[in-house]
Amino acid sequence: GNSVTQMEGPVTLSEEAFLTINCTYTATGYPSLFWYVQYPGEGLQLLLKATKADDKGSNKGFEATYRKETTSFHLEKGSVQVSDSAVYFCALSDHGTDKLIFGTGTRLQVFP
Amino acid sequence: EAGVTQFPSHSVIEKGQTVTLRCDPISGHDNLYWYRRVMGKEIKFLLHFVKESKQDESGMPNNRFLAERTGGTYSTLKVQPAELEDSGVYFCASSHRDAATNEKLFFGSGTQLSVL
Repeated sequence: GNSVTQMEGPVTLSEEAFLTINCTYTATGYPSLFWYVQYPGEGLQLLLKATKADDKGSNKGFEATYRKETTSFHLEKGSVQVSDSAVYFCALSDHGTDKLIFGTGTRLQVFP
Repeated sequence: EAGVTQFPSHSVIEKGQTVTLRCDPISGHDNLYWYRRVMGKEIKFLLHFVKESKQDESGMPNNRFLAERTGGTYSTLKVQPAELEDSGVYFCASSHRDAATNEKLFFGSGTQLSVL
């Protein structure tokens, strides 16, 4: 069945460091791919998405490219801030369904 | 506009007891979803309501879990009797009927359930 695998955390970085959180997926067909973020004490928020191969989703300085050949959707940011500290979830959904399939989440901790 | 509200934010109960979680979706949202994250694992889909009807309940783990959405407004998720493995964070999400590709899916902040 469909699944998402993302790197285990926590990821600990200093402010202004480069961030990569790896995400790979297994799916039949052509899923849409997402990154959600959960800040402390808040609900999940959509960070960015891509709906087809080679699409790049971007938001708040984060970006991820839908790579069909490597079945990946890695999250990157050139310069992280303390306020980026949160848990990041990679997810996919099949076209025609409403269900999201999530990865295990990666906690990011950014220190000044 | 109020967001998706979940109550309680935390619940600690003993094995064998009953717990009821509540979700108030954004007003006017026909779609309502329940998800669960067991400690350290992925967030898993439980079920989907369209108004008061269960559209998909394939993720419900067993018959100890009962979800309702009477009147198509708020929803409750009851666990009876609770077991240790039911501990985790229960998320609710809602969207408009015609929302596409989950772009306009709004999540609540979750209920942390601890079964001792």
